[in-house]
Amino acid sequence: EAEVAQSPRYKITEKSQAVAFWCDPISGHATLYWYRQILGQGPELLVQFQDESVVDDSQLPKDRFSAERLKGVDSTLKIQPAELGDSAMYLCASSLGGQGARGETQYFGPGTRLLVL
Amino acid sequence: AQSVTQLGSHVSVSEGALVLLRCNYSSSVPPYLFWYVQYPNQGLQLLLKYTTGATLVKGINGFEAEFKKSETSFHLTKPSAHMSDAAEYFCAVIGGFKTIFGAGTRLFVKA
Repeated sequence: EAEVAQSPRYKITEKSQAVAFWCDPISGHATLYWYRQILGQGPELLVQFQDESVVDDSQLPKDRFSAERLKGVDSTLKIQPAELGDSAMYLCASSLGGQGARGETQYFGPGTRLLVL
Repeated sequence: AQSVTQLGSHVSVSEGALVLLRCNYSSSVPPYLFWYVQYPNQGLQLLLKYTTGATLVKGINGFEAEFKKSETSFHLTKPSAHMSDAAEYFCAVIGGFKTIFGAGTRLFVKA
């Protein structure tokens, strides 16, 4: 069964350093999502792509976070510089992105757990 | 704007007992509603969803949920809990085009 791949699974960094996370969605999925999940909370959408275009990044802290999906396939989320409050699980998800997009199932990867010291 | 409230951050049941996890939502447009499950250090997996049509939705692993518009609720149930059901459960709503997740309910199953 096709899965969403993410790497690394775990990352420990010091504050003020740069970190990057990678996501490879299920083949053929046009929509890609990055979520941040703080311990004890539900996921919060950071950015949503339709193919290579950003359709929602209203919750992305743009002074330090950036996301790209240059060829409309895999995606990278970067944090520079990292802050203590960025410690969280970063989840990537993908969906087909067709006409029924609003009700589509999102398929989640295993996540990257980030710890900022 | 839409929001989701999950009542009870922790729920504990005995193995074989009824599982009831509560979810209430608000949405200015007809909502799409989802329940996801998350096991430790893993991503989320869809249990079931309501988009249109039948208000009683059946999902995987014996779970089901009923959309009640008048009560703005979408509670998750399972007749008989199994030890393997112990996990975190998230209710989510799509009112416009953004998915909003609840804070989650951790289910404990006692032997």
